[in-house]
Amino acid sequence: NAGVMQNPRHLVRRRGQEARLRCSPMKGHSHVYWYRQLPEEGLKFMVYLQKENIIDESGMPKERFSAEFPKEGPSILRIQQVVRGDSAAYFCASYGTAPSEAFFGQGTRLTVV
Amino acid sequence: GQNIDQPTEMTATEGAIVQINCTYQTSGFNGLFWYQQHAGEAPTFLSYNVLDGLEEKGRFSSFLSRSKGYSYLLLKELQMKDSASYLCAVRDPARGGNNRKLIWGLGTSLAVNP
Repeated sequence: NAGVMQNPRHLVRRRGQEARLRCSPMKGHSHVYWYRQLPEEGLKFMVYLQKENIIDESGMPKERFSAEFPKEGPSILRIQQVVRGDSAAYFCASYGTAPSEAFFGQGTRLTVV
Repeated sequence: GQNIDQPTEMTATEGAIVQINCTYQTSGFNGLFWYQQHAGEAPTFLSYNVLDGLEEKGRFSSFLSRSKGYSYLLLKELQMKDSASYLCAVRDPARGGNNRKLIWGLGTSLAVNP
């Protein structure tokens, strides 16, 4: 019973490079949420996706950030031309039928050098 | 706007009881959650309250008062492994429907000492 899988766990990028973060929700879950956790700050909502649809991207920066959840394969959070301020832990969460519990992946810790 | 407040840090002794408070100001309400997060790990679900009152689950209990915009997490018989950050989160009422977007407090870092 695999949980929410995120990879890579750790990612180092130089300024200006692209970062691609992957999230595979729990089996049977079709709703994915991405959150960002900056050092000394709380979790911040970024985007909510269902298969092939972006439902709510109100937390996504307008530039350089994009997300997708294709019909097949994992959800991808893409950050183009990374800057040092993008260094953070990025978590994804998926939901099943229960109204409450979100299952979180282990996160991807992005370091921009 | 939406605001969730909880103490930054707390310290307690092994075997004791600790209460972590959370207050929220939101335009509406659609459920409050408590998560535990160990350093470098993912948040893990502890409790969910949508109605007033106390929800008990083993050593952990959570209380909600919607009229006061207040919740607390009660941890009994503290163990060293309970040293972690405890996050209070409210389901964003503005979105409704199937949107389960959460608004998070900054977390309370609990240190359990021997």
